[in-house]
Amino acid sequence: GAVVSQHPSRVICKSGTSVKIECRSLDFQATTMFWYRQFPKQSLMLMATSNEGSKATYEQGVEKDKFLINHASLTLSTLTVTSAHPEDSSFYICSASYSYYGYTFGSGTRLTVV
Amino acid sequence: AQTVTQSQPEMSVQEAETVTLSCTYDTSESDYYLFWYKQPPSRQMILVIRQEAYKQQNATENRFSVNFQKAAKSFSLKISDSQLGDAAMYFCAYRSAPETSGSRLTFGEGTQLTVNP
Repeated sequence: GAVVSQHPSRVICKSGTSVKIECRSLDFQATTMFWYRQFPKQSLMLMATSNEGSKATYEQGVEKDKFLINHASLTLSTLTVTSAHPEDSSFYICSASYSYYGYTFGSGTRLTVV
Repeated sequence: AQTVTQSQPEMSVQEAETVTLSCTYDTSESDYYLFWYKQPPSRQMILVIRQEAYKQQNATENRFSVNFQKAAKSFSLKISDSQLGDAAMYFCAYRSAPETSGSRLTFGEGTQLTVNP
């Protein structure tokens, strides 16, 4: 149980276009979703925390207008990378809290901007 | 703010041997949770083990056990009888008790574990 499905797993887009990444909780209600960015051989960097029905809370240094997060329902949260540039190329991971101390992670999205 | 430090960027172990990964953390809180996550080459994050700070007994999950030293703020992971499938990046993580500062995880830098046949 407590599965988060993340799509797409890989995406290549042209510079200047937007890309949407979806995370769906399949068997539980994800009231809180976390979005991370990970560079090769590095740790997970928290970008933002979203709660269902409210605006996301972004970490310092993360551009809100570039990384749009929507958490409109208890089963779906999306991250849209707007006007993507090569420096936005990275691995993005979502995670949801399903219990007091339980977290489940999506399988990640490898974004390449060309 | 809490910080988590993993001082070993890379570790290696022979198959069937035992290895210990180190983790220290800094906090002023008395109630919190500590985790070890594994990220294999697939990059899927997998929970290895969890420890509640109020529990003195060290957590154990099959071949994985922790040495939790609350006063020293140390939380090491011991992997016994290492297997090839244990090869992965291992992350130590901290979470405050929710009534204090929310439910986010703070991750360490990670330790890349190689298992040699």
